[in-house]
Amino acid sequence: QQQVKQSPQSLIVQKGGISIINCAYENTAFDYFPWYQQFPGKGPALLIAIRPDVSEKKEGRFTISFNKSAKQFSLHIMDSQPGDSATYFCAAGSTNAGGTSYGKLTFGQGTILTVHP
Amino acid sequence: NAGVMQNPRHLVRRRGQEARLRCSPMKGHSHVYWYRQLPEEGLKFMVYLQKENIIDESGMPKERFSAEFPKEGPSILRIQQVVRGDSAAYFCASSPLNRGGEAKNIQYFGAGTRLSVL
Repeated sequence: QQQVKQSPQSLIVQKGGISIINCAYENTAFDYFPWYQQFPGKGPALLIAIRPDVSEKKEGRFTISFNKSAKQFSLHIMDSQPGDSATYFCAAGSTNAGGTSYGKLTFGQGTILTVHP
Repeated sequence: NAGVMQNPRHLVRRRGQEARLRCSPMKGHSHVYWYRQLPEEGLKFMVYLQKENIIDESGMPKERFSAEFPKEGPSILRIQQVVRGDSAAYFCASSPLNRGGEAKNIQYFGAGTRLSVL
């Protein structure tokens, strides 16, 4: 019930195309859904995050779509660039009883994105 | 404002030795999280600490692993009697205390410590 399933494992996109990565979760207590970008040899960096009271959030070329009833969320990268080539992780967390923290994050397995020039 | 600092970046140990991984959170952050990443896998939660308190250690192996976040100084993840299966990248993240709003407790990650057990 704590799992977050991510697909696809790898994705190849041409420059200028749209990259779409999907995640599904089971635990309805999750109320925070961030996406992280990781380059080789580096730590994950937060890209964008959403909470379940909205169905979509956009920041620049990155958009999260959230479907609460289906317990699914996805990352769309518009106008994909070679510099976007990295591993992307979705994650999910839940606010603790005191409302002060999301506590641990449960991560998906990751998607290796390659954008060809 | 410096980011989350982890050291060492690379650590090589022989089987049976001890490994100590250090994490200094971002300035003003009082929550620290440790995650482990095996090759080509996602990050797995290990432990969540606040100053002098372990809040959630549900992801920590029952034996050989321990973590602390003292009142002064960095957080330490300690692995005793390392085995080859401990080889992984260990990431620390930190978040601020009760910021509220959209920025509430976003976790910022360090660059990780890559542990190799020979």
